[in-house]
Amino acid sequence: EIVLTQSPAALSLSPGERATLSCRASQSVSSYLAWYQQRRGQAPRLLIYDASNRATGIPARFSGSGSGADFTLTITSLEPEDFAIYYCQQRYNWPVTFGQGTRLDLK
Amino acid sequence: EVQLVQSGAEVKKPGESLKISCKATGYSFTRYWIGWVRQMPGKGLEWMGIIFPGDSQATSSPSFHGQVTFSVDKSINTAYLHWTTLKASDTAIYYCARTQSYGSGWPFIDSWGQGTLVIVSS
Repeated sequence: EIVLTQSPAALSLSPGERATLSCRASQSVSSYLAWYQQRRGQAPRLLIYDASNRATGIPARFSGSGSGADFTLTITSLEPEDFAIYYCQQRYNWPVTFGQGTRLDLK
Repeated sequence: EVQLVQSGAEVKKPGESLKISCKATGYSFTRYWIGWVRQMPGKGLEWMGIIFPGDSQATSSPSFHGQVTFSVDKSINTAYLHWTTLKASDTAIYYCARTQSYGSGWPFIDSWGQGTLVIVSS
């Protein structure tokens, strides 16, 4: 099973700042990595698929990069609604797995 | 618009059975795999398995193999998650989701249901 390790576990930033979230896989997942956002009390939603493709309706301040085993989700200029938990997910091997999440807190 | 509407919260006793539902609208139900994801209280996301409504082919993650059953009713565009014997450790929110897969590889999720809270307590 591929293990995804997200870092940091939690990040405290202010609106307008830049957030950089990391996801490292225990082996290469090629570009088969997605990012999801889960706001408190809500279902997750897809942000990025296949490492760098923004999902429909996702603002341009969200971007994904990386390939192989190291990936980054960048949120430029944080908005109040961006404070949430972010999960990565690999689809390279079965079982499909999620990272443990990074909590983005309002400073 | 793709929508997945799940059945309401359930409170059950250990040892009881349960089936929760997920009704899909706004797309061709038989063309996309449906995934199920568990989120235990205060914890992260766990992929349970997937089912293809076109032919009911299903695959479980090893952690959930034999613990739950996935099924669909194509006539009403509805997917189900079924337990025969609930345990207290099954207490969680369960999400159904439509999945997508471009090229090779397993799918990712592009639309989520609202979640069904299952509480198992004596």
